[in-house]
Amino acid sequence: QSALTQPPSASGFPGQSVTVSCTGTSSDVGGYNSVSWYQQHPGKAPKLMIYEVIKRPSGVPDRFSGSKSGNTASLTVSGLQAEDEADYYCSSYAGRNDWVFGGGTKLIVL
Amino acid sequence: QVQLVQSGAEVKKPGASVRVSCKASGYTFTGYYVHWVRQAPGQGLQWLGWSNCNTGATNYALKFQDRVTMTSDTSISTAYMELSRLRSDDTAVYYCARVGGGYTYHFDYWGQGTLVTVYS
Repeated sequence: QSALTQPPSASGFPGQSVTVSCTGTSSDVGGYNSVSWYQQHPGKAPKLMIYEVIKRPSGVPDRFSGSKSGNTASLTVSGLQAEDEADYYCSSYAGRNDWVFGGGTKLIVL
Repeated sequence: QVQLVQSGAEVKKPGASVRVSCKASGYTFTGYYVHWVRQAPGQGLQWLGWSNCNTGATNYALKFQDRVTMTSDTSISTAYMELSRLRSDDTAVYYCARVGGGYTYHFDYWGQGTLVTVYS
């Protein structure tokens, strides 16, 4: 299966909002409410930020939110903070017991 | 608290095999799946497959089906991933990650990663 498509980078000033997109197909993103988002700082393991498109795990700030329309999911970070600068990856169930990741987006806080 | 602790870094020659372990604690091991994900230097995440820690069932990404084996030992709450016929482009950090049963699709806890370096 092909990787989900994410923009290589996104940026914003502190306090602003930034949205990262994740585009797949009707066989993965569009076919299931299974999109999750992960934050990864350099040298660290990924951390779950959003699951089942819109849900936030305990401890994740409510500045992070998720949505989906058709075959494209989005992660929005509101009130950007310096510590939000990281790589972000989306993931989706792709049917037939397979999973797929996006290529990753580097979020830069200007 | 839930923890996944992986084995240490490995250096292997091309053509060899490597086995990475992932020891779970803080939850009922047999109630979850363990997935394996790798990340080549400077690259994104790539899904390798999963093992059901209760039944031993597995499913592998098509690209790795002929080279990867995922197992688990319930007596010591440890999952394993073995990759054979290593090539230089298998150099990566390998992560284990937990996924719940049923209609659960997200990786809620991750191991710290194991660097596997393949070079001659």
